Amino acid sequence: EAQVTQNPRYLITVTGKKLTVTCSQNMNHEYMSWYRQDPGLGLRQIYYSMNVEVTDKGDVPEGYKVSRKEKRNFPLILESPSPNQTSLYFCASSYLRGKLNNEQFFGPGTRLTVL
Amino acid sequence: AQSVAQPEDQVNVAEGNPLTVKCTYSVSGNPYLFWYVQYPNRGLQFLLKYITGDNLVKGSYGFEAEFNKSQTSFHLKKPSALVSDSALYFCAVRDDDRGSTLGRLYFGRGTQLTVWP
Repeated sequence: EAQVTQNPRYLITVTGKKLTVTCSQNMNHEYMSWYRQDPGLGLRQIYYSMNVEVTDKGDVPEGYKVSRKEKRNFPLILESPSPNQTSLYFCASSYLRGKLNNEQFFGPGTRLTVL
Repeated sequence: AQSVAQPEDQVNVAEGNPLTVKCTYSVSGNPYLFWYVQYPNRGLQFLLKYITGDNLVKGSYGFEAEFNKSQTSFHLKKPSALVSDSALYFCAVRDDDRGSTLGRLYFGRGTQLTVWP
């Protein structure tokens, strides 16, 4: 089954404790991206990757890191989480094939609470 | 600057009536426009997109959207709403201007659609 998986689905942590949210897709997509969803703000792009070893900042990259060492994986790293990073996080992927007009497939989301 | 506006936080319609969820956008180049739907406790699902060509785009579950370049709008429509259409709807835009924002996708704040029986 074609899908984007995220782990963990739920996480409660404390300020300053490094964490990683994993994202994996099995569709051989070139493009992957992370978003956060907050009430009243919609989805905001954190980072995206157009291919292996190529990453770029989105709207709200502060406090986050990403890496793209393999095509299928795109982990989101919070080196020192803070309460303002409490949010619902979505990973997404899509084909590129030289174009930017392909729809994205979204993971189920990770609800993060930072105390 | 690129942006998307969904002017209505909520839209309420009766089942069987037509529905419209509004979206306007701002890009420097030509837009690629998308609608996604989010059901409770789920990720986003793709509904439809506009790339080029016909201004009326048909998508999943009987939804369609009309692209209007002069009004920079991409409103989502359905002729006859169902209770099961109740969900959160997001409009998104990507700019084909291959500048520094290449690869970025901009979402609106979302519109909560409620269809009552």
